[in-house]
Amino acid sequence: QQPVQSPQAVILREGEDAVINCSSSKALYSVHWYRQKHGEAPVFLMILLKGGEQKGHEKISASFNEKKQQSSLYLTASQLSYSGTYFCGTELKSNQFYFGTGTSLTVIP
Amino acid sequence: GAGVSQSPSNKVTEKGKDVELRCDPISGHTALYWYRQSLGQGLEFLIYFQGNSAPDKSGLPSDRFSAERTGGSVSTLTIQRTQQEDSAVYLCASMPGTGEETQYFGPGTRLLVL
Repeated sequence: QQPVQSPQAVILREGEDAVINCSSSKALYSVHWYRQKHGEAPVFLMILLKGGEQKGHEKISASFNEKKQQSSLYLTASQLSYSGTYFCGTELKSNQFYFGTGTSLTVIP
Repeated sequence: GAGVSQSPSNKVTEKGKDVELRCDPISGHTALYWYRQSLGQGLEFLIYFQGNSAPDKSGLPSDRFSAERTGGSVSTLTIQRTQQEDSAVYLCASMPGTGEETQYFGPGTRLLVL
């Protein structure tokens, strides 16, 4: 039931773009995205509720394909502050969440 | 407080001892989750409380793990007869349960079983 994230790790130079994918074998109610910096608790980024819905937050946006049970997180013009581990959390049924194994993102100057 | 708090922040114990981990959710939040995060790993769902309903215990790894939530607020996760593989960061998160489906995480309890 744990979603699969890809890639496992990515290194970017400042200003480059990245895409992180999250795929589930189960039908999903929603997908959540979180970022966790080393030694800190995960911080909520955004939630996607409907098939095909896309949301944005500054230069970070995401899409959710309900039919394919897939979500992608898009980071554009990356900044040093984007470094961290990104987790997708999938909601299989009301309030039952499973998190992916995470994608480590490192932005270098 | 404004956020989710957990105590202790760090716990070192000997194999075979029992430990209790505490979570104080954001006031008014009806949903509360416990997760476990091993070094370099993702978040493993343990248990979920919603209001006064029976908890969803489907994620508890063994019968040594139990949790309760008193008065719909504070929650305690208890691990009996700890094993070395129990070493991890235990994270608690609360959610309003009013349609806003954002989970607010506490800072976690780092458990080390020697």
